[in-house]
Amino acid sequence: DTAVSQTPKYLVTQMGNDKSIKCEQNLGHDTMYWYKQDSKKFLKIMFSYNNKELIINETVPNRFSPKSPDKAHLNLHINSLELGDSAVYFCASSQVLADSYNEQFFGPGTRLTVL
Amino acid sequence: GQNIDQPTEMTATEGAIVQINCTYQTSGFNGLFWYQQHAGEAPTFLSYNVLDGLEEKGRFSSFLSRSKGYSYLLLKELQMKDSASYLCASMDSNYQLIWGAGTKLIIKP
Repeated sequence: DTAVSQTPKYLVTQMGNDKSIKCEQNLGHDTMYWYKQDSKKFLKIMFSYNNKELIINETVPNRFSPKSPDKAHLNLHINSLELGDSAVYFCASSQVLADSYNEQFFGPGTRLTVL
Repeated sequence: GQNIDQPTEMTATEGAIVQINCTYQTSGFNGLFWYQQHAGEAPTFLSYNVLDGLEEKGRFSSFLSRSKGYSYLLLKELQMKDSASYLCASMDSNYQLIWGAGTKLIIKP
């Protein structure tokens, strides 16, 4: 029944480790996104995928890599985790990208804590 | 540069009316969104404006002035459950959402 789901909800790990966050949407949407929300609550776009092609790639470190096995999934891999990566990561999806009315549906978020 | 400004925090009384303002500067404009985010939860869509004027949806209304780069969200008959952060986001020419930091709204009995 869940529209956009993410796993895990909480992730606590040590500096230097590699981790992945999974995201799935069952809305049939064409575009999926990854956002980072830091302690100041700014939502910053990291990536978006449209029909399995990366179409927005903000200036995030290349330690972060999105992987989309199909249009319903967009996973986020993070290598060599750093303290500054601690944040809440939200996955979202929308029907199409190039459409001005473009409501985004968000997953529940993954709270990442790097120790 | 691209910028969204909104107040950090506001306080209002249950049953009252509150207006949350937002000013935006983005590269191009394809609409202004308001989202609600309860603590520890995901943002959820509230409203969308692309033409000047007021859009009403139940207790919530949103206003846009494109010439002024200004929007507001009006919440009427406030309820305790309206305590949340309200995020303003402008869609730029690349259809990318540029987000404000959100306004934390505290409702007092």
